[in-house]
Amino acid sequence: NAGVTQTPKFRILKIGQSMTLQCTQDMNHNYMYWYRQDPGMGLKLIYYSVGAGITDKGEVPNGYNVSRSTTEDFPLRLELAAPSQTSVYFCASSKTSGRAVEQFFGPGTRLTVL
Amino acid sequence: GQSLEQPSEVTAVEGAIVQINCTYQTSGFYGLSWYQQHDGGAPTFLSYNGLDGLEETGRFSSFLSRSDSYGYLLLQELQMKDSASYFCAVSAPNTNAGKSTFGDGTTLTVKP
Repeated sequence: NAGVTQTPKFRILKIGQSMTLQCTQDMNHNYMYWYRQDPGMGLKLIYYSVGAGITDKGEVPNGYNVSRSTTEDFPLRLELAAPSQTSVYFCASSKTSGRAVEQFFGPGTRLTVL
Repeated sequence: GQSLEQPSEVTAVEGAIVQINCTYQTSGFYGLSWYQQHDGGAPTFLSYNGLDGLEETGRFSSFLSRSDSYGYLLLQELQMKDSASYFCAVSAPNTNAGKSTFGDGTTLTVKP
């Protein structure tokens, strides 16, 4: 199993550009998450999904959109990139909620908006 | 809402024991998790406490007291490779997903 994979690893955007961060997991996990991590800080939840076709907002959803058409894929879309979106983005998945809260993280995408 | 507090930095020597505390304020509580993150890497899951008490996994142990809204991660026989950031995270009940709120992390530096 590859686990959780993310592409690209690095990206530089200009203000106002858009892009999609890709996330794929091969563990057949129902739950998937997108976090952002600013330097020296913890992880902030952007969006999450409990299964294909179902998504919901996290703590910091403004400026982002997601979709979940399959169990495996959970892309994150940035529209009109702003410098405040410069961060490291992590995708994660977990088998179930509640007691089995172990989340498996991808390697991250380092995004800079100039 | 939910908020967590943990020390920003801890330093210890190789072979020693270190404890990283985490206090939380939540509108609902399900459990406390701990994650390790090496510089430039992805967080990796260490442990989970859903009930009060101590959970032991090798050199790492985690403790929870729900009445005190407090938990800690205990690392024994410290090794240089334990230098990393450690995050506590709380998950809330009555949610449809394993949504977790993370603390800002504690940077552990292990010195020879």
